This record gives sequence, C-alpha cells and structure tokens, in this order.
Amino acid sequence: QKEVEQDPGPLSVPEGAIVSLNCTYSNSAFQYFMWYRQYSRKGPELLMYTYSSGNKEDGRFTAQVDKSSKYISLFIRDSQPSDSATYLCAKRGSGGSNYKLTFGKGTLLTVNP
Amino acid sequence: GAGVSQSPSNKVTEKGKDVELRCDPISGHTALYWYRQSLGQGLEFLIYFQGNSAPDKSGLPSDRFSAERTGGSVSTLTIQRTQQEDSAVYLCASSLGLVGADTQYFGPGTRLTVL
Repeated sequence: QKEVEQDPGPLSVPEGAIVSLNCTYSNSAFQYFMWYRQYSRKGPELLMYTYSSGNKEDGRFTAQVDKSSKYISLFIRDSQPSDSATYLCAKRGSGGSNYKLTFGKGTLLTVNP
Repeated sequence: GAGVSQSPSNKVTEKGKDVELRCDPISGHTALYWYRQSLGQGLEFLIYFQGNSAPDKSGLPSDRFSAERTGGSVSTLTIQRTQQEDSAVYLCASSLGLVGADTQYFGPGTRLTVL
C-alpha cells in the first residue's frame, strides 16, 4: 500500500460548485499534511497545510484531516475557472526525514464557466 | 523576488546520451530538493541537500543519476546513459531549511524526453 493514495479523477464541475478532493494515508503516525496546486506546465505551489487532525480554513479553501479514518480532504467553495489545476496532497516525513514529502498522484480539476 | 529557476525548460535527447539539468534556488535558501514527476508515478523525491551536510540520495532510482550542489547554491542533476523510462518532468525546490514547518518552493521544471 502506498503511503498516500489519491483519486486521480479527472473531476469536472460547473462554476460556483463546491469541490471535494480526497486522499487516504496508510500510517496513523503521520501528522503533517499539505495540499499543493499545480497549474499546467508549472511547478506545484503550496496551498494549505494542516497538522494533526481537524479543520483549517483559508478563504474559499478548507483542509480537513480525519485521523480515525486516515482521510485528508480539501474543500473549495464557490469554485472558479481559475481553480482549474491539478491538486496534490502530500505528507511530511517524520523524525530525521521530516524534509521528505510524499505526494499523492494528483487530481485534475476543471471548473467550467 | 525571484523564485526557483530551472534550465533548460525542455530537453530532448537520444537514448544513451548524458544530460545535465540545472537549478537556481531562491537566494538565502539553504535546503534544495530534486523531484521527478512522471505520468505513472506522480511526484517522487530524488535527493535533498541541506547546507554542508551530506545529501540524502535515497530517492535516486539508479547509479546513472547523480546531483551536486556547488557553493551551497546552484545544483546540477546529471543523468548518464539516458533511458526512455527517464522521460519525465524534473522539478527542483528550495526552502529555508527550518526545523518543522518549512515550505518548499518549486521551480517550473525541466521536461525531459528521451527518444
């Protein structure tokens, strides 16, 4: 089992929809999670990070970690065409390898005007 | 300020040739990372440099891959005797090298095609 699994989609929604992007992880010891956004032909950029469990909100974006089910989610409210991109979940390594990020394969999102 | 830059943006080479990919990190960032992004595997860690410490090379897929970082700044990833399975986007990232929350900033990548 991979450490981080992500549904690759693709996901296509109309403008204004609520988008839910999800990943599962294998080890309950993982605590630090991130969501990156990657536009076509660009490098990934950090969107949000969460530590341990619970919710974190930033504008239209909410990141959620459910440790009991080992599930991480990103919700996008009032989605815009400019949100069209690939979204990557990632977890940070632990201990002496906390610099090492392990990514899911990414979900391609298209928001249609 | 300037972000992470990588060159070339695209590289087409023939099987068996050597290639060099360059990364210029953000000024002041002590940590530098290389990742590979391919269709089947997603984004994979290759190597990590932090200051003058020995690099973590645990992600390099074979001994054909090597990387160096000169003067704690610019880094070069070298692939010898390229194979078709090396075709991918090679991404470089840099960070401040903080313990704990340390954001990695990615460059635009070099798209390598091995014919």
